[in-house]
Amino acid sequence: DQQVKQNSPSLSVQEGRISILNCDYTNSMFDYFLWYKKYPAEGPTFLISISSIKDKNEDGRFTVFLNKSAKHLSLHIVPSQPGDSAVYFCAASGPQGGSEKLVFGKGTKLTVNP
Amino acid sequence: GAGVSQSPRYKVTKRGQDVALRCDPISGHVSLYWYRQALGQGPEFLTYFNYEAQQDKSGLPNDRFSAERPEGSISTLTIQRTEQRDSAMYRCASSDLDREHNEQFFGPGTRLTVL
Repeated sequence: DQQVKQNSPSLSVQEGRISILNCDYTNSMFDYFLWYKKYPAEGPTFLISISSIKDKNEDGRFTVFLNKSAKHLSLHIVPSQPGDSAVYFCAASGPQGGSEKLVFGKGTKLTVNP
Repeated sequence: GAGVSQSPRYKVTKRGQDVALRCDPISGHVSLYWYRQALGQGPEFLTYFNYEAQQDKSGLPNDRFSAERPEGSISTLTIQRTEQRDSAMYRCASSDLDREHNEQFFGPGTRLTVL
């Protein structure tokens, strides 16, 4: 069973608009969430993270929102740029003190059109 | 080096052969992780080490898979008697032990093809 789900395999947006990537999880023991970005032929690159004690974390154009009651998080990119075109993976870990492994979703391919 | 390195980048082998995949983590990183990624999927956890100690090997699919990190730095993932279903991208990642910032930094991966 998939503990981290990204239900949209792909997303296409216009340059300058907002990109919203969604992620759902089922394991209530997860307490740390991360977004990774992956370009072709490269390994995933860490983008932004959020602890379960927060509901929002912002870093420049990237903001992650966490809704614990709904077991849902989202990544907002504003404004979107063509260089943001990549596959975005949502990942989760926890509980703290347990295994440090990350559980990944299947990814969402974002295309930002000029 | 500046980042996580893995070798070889590509490995083609015949079914039944053993393969060894190498990972060189970021200098000073205590934790080292192995993941496997199938096409169209996210990375799937295999095992991880803190220093030289294997902390969790629950993701290893069967006893043909093993990993070691004898000196707490470079790690080797070994697959014995390879099968076609072992074909995948094998990714290594490393991180420091600061739990509040558990960002794992990934290498470029080794693409394994079993014929």
